[in-house]
Order: sequence, then structure tokens, then C-alpha cells
Amino acid sequence: KNQVEQSPQSLIILEGKNCTLQCNYTVSPFSNLRWYKQDTGRGPVSLTIMTFSENTKSNGRYTATLDADTKQSSLHITASQLSDSASYICVVSGLTGGGNKLTFGTGTQLKVEL
Amino acid sequence: DGGITQSPKYLFRKEGQNVTLSCEQNLNHDAMYWYRQDPGQGLRLIYYSQIVNDFQKGDIAEGYSVSREKKESFPLTVTSAQKNPTAFYLCASSEFPGLAGGYEQYFGPGTRLTVT
Repeated sequence: KNQVEQSPQSLIILEGKNCTLQCNYTVSPFSNLRWYKQDTGRGPVSLTIMTFSENTKSNGRYTATLDADTKQSSLHITASQLSDSASYICVVSGLTGGGNKLTFGTGTQLKVEL
Repeated sequence: DGGITQSPKYLFRKEGQNVTLSCEQNLNHDAMYWYRQDPGQGLRLIYYSQIVNDFQKGDIAEGYSVSREKKESFPLTVTSAQKNPTAFYLCASSEFPGLAGGYEQYFGPGTRLTVT
């Protein structure tokens, strides 16, 4: 069964600090991996999309890494800001006979405090 | 939220009533999707549509129905047959047909449905 597991489930950090969120998956065959940011009560917004051949991808203060061999990804947030408080969702796209299918993780709830 | 609108933001209904959630996009995307989000669970696909007048069941289609009469509109009806309809519903669209694949999937702001 295709699964995406994220850790930690929740995290509290002080403003200005860095943090790293983890994502492990069992989706196969693999197509791509995405990280989304979801503010409370809003729709998810894409941060990065990585294919099999990409090891790292940055979007401002967000840097995602991918190790397709170990089926692990991480999202590193640098110099956190209060506005980074949100749920971060890892999504893996797998190849099926009918096309690509997205498997969503349950998210890491990040809270940035003063 | 891009060019996708969902209305209303909050919706309250009595058990046994059907309710329709609106989703409109002005991105000229071919594909549209409906997801359900529950606390502690990942998003789950309800229905998706690759082209006008065509749609496919997702993982949890029971108790739901959709239509795609126009490219920009993909309304979702939650019927009385849906046993646990209270949830946060998200509509999304992507530029190319299929289940997103490598193409960006844009989400609407969501509708929170409460059924009592």
C-alpha cells in the first residue's frame, strides 16, 4: 500500500531559528514529490516539486531534499518567521496504469513563536 | 489560492439534506479535482475530471456526485448517502489531464461543511 509518513507531527520553534521536517514514503513506482504549505482554514500552496533526478530544490527560505534510494525527503526552513506557522504537507506522485496518483501525508504542524 | 474560488467558505446543513459545493477556476485548466480533508488524515480524492462532460471516481466517491458541464466549473454534491459528510472540502485544478502527474496542482480556499 502506498503511504507517506511525516515527522514530527507538530513542532514549535522560536522565530529566527531553523527547522527540518521529514517525509518517508513507500510509493512505487515514483514520479515526483511535492511539499505544500497550508495555512489554517486555507487551501495548500505548492512550495516545491522534485522528480527522481533532483536531489535538492530551493524556494526562498525553503529547501527540499530528496533521496529516491532511501525514499526520504526533508524540508528545511531557514530563519523562520511567524508567517511560517502552518501545516506542511508532503505529497508523493506515483505512476499507475491510469496515470499519476497523489498520496498525501498527514502534515507537520509548525508553530513559530516570538 | 490562485484563480480558483470555492463558495461558500462555511456551510451548515441538517442531516438528510443534499448540499452542493461550488468550485470555479479561471486558469483555463483542463483537469479539476475534489478532495476531502479530515483532522489527522491526508487529503483524500473524491472525484476528478480531465475534460468537460467526463469525470472519474477517486478513492472515496461513495455518497458524492459531480458534474462538469463547463471547463471552469466542477460542483460537488454531498448527498444524504454520505455517512460522515462533516469535513473540509478542497477543490483543485491542473493544467494537463490526468492525476496531476508532474504538473502543478492549484488548490482553492476550501469549504468547511458541517452537518448536524
